[in-house]
Amino acid sequence: AQKITQTQPGMFVQEKEAVTLDCTYDTSDQSYGLFWYKQPSSGEMIFLIYQGSYDEQNATEGRYSLNFQKARKSANLVISASQLGDSAMYFCAMREAAGGTSYGKLTFGQGTILTVHP
Amino acid sequence: DAGITQSPRHKVTETGTPVTLRCHQTENHRYMYWYRQDPGHGLRLIHYSYGVKDTDKGEVSDGYSVSRSKTEDFLLTLESATSSQTSVYFCAISKKTGRSGGQETQYFGPGTRLLVL
Repeated sequence: AQKITQTQPGMFVQEKEAVTLDCTYDTSDQSYGLFWYKQPSSGEMIFLIYQGSYDEQNATEGRYSLNFQKARKSANLVISASQLGDSAMYFCAMREAAGGTSYGKLTFGQGTILTVHP
Repeated sequence: DAGITQSPRHKVTETGTPVTLRCHQTENHRYMYWYRQDPGHGLRLIHYSYGVKDTDKGEVSDGYSVSRSKTEDFLLTLESATSSQTSVYFCAISKKTGRSGGQETQYFGPGTRLLVL
């Protein structure tokens, strides 16, 4: 069973507008972490934002925010005021606690390609 | 920047030959990981290490072995390369971040593009 699902293979947004990238997850753990990474065309993986399962407030990092809905098991990334440089592949990932033996392993979704139009 | 380098950055090899990829970190992190990235699959964990000489398998470990004789180096070896191992390989470290230092975040190296002919 897929643990991280990103249902949007591609998304388009107009420059300066906001966009939401969807991510749903599946876990039976109570303690877990959710991450978003950006991969531009140059190929590197860039960490964007983190949300812990016990965090009561949604995480924010500059123009990035994470819309965390625990009951729905969703962790959507919201990018405000999109810029041309935001065009990239975006990955959602989860780290499960797994009784402390997971050693921080991440499970990734398949990614969403975001294209920002001028 | 977590001080992670990977070598080589690009490699072309032939089926059946052994290949070793190197990941080097400069910040003395305990946990290191090897992932592969393929279209339609995102990143998948191959092997990971939780200390010198302490390694374990990930979800796609068949055909791969790893070694970690020093904290700073984590080697990934393809015993006998196959075309199905053509991929982009990423090394990562886990680093404590966040306000209280209680958050573990993975940071990735630049990747190695491997083509097996």
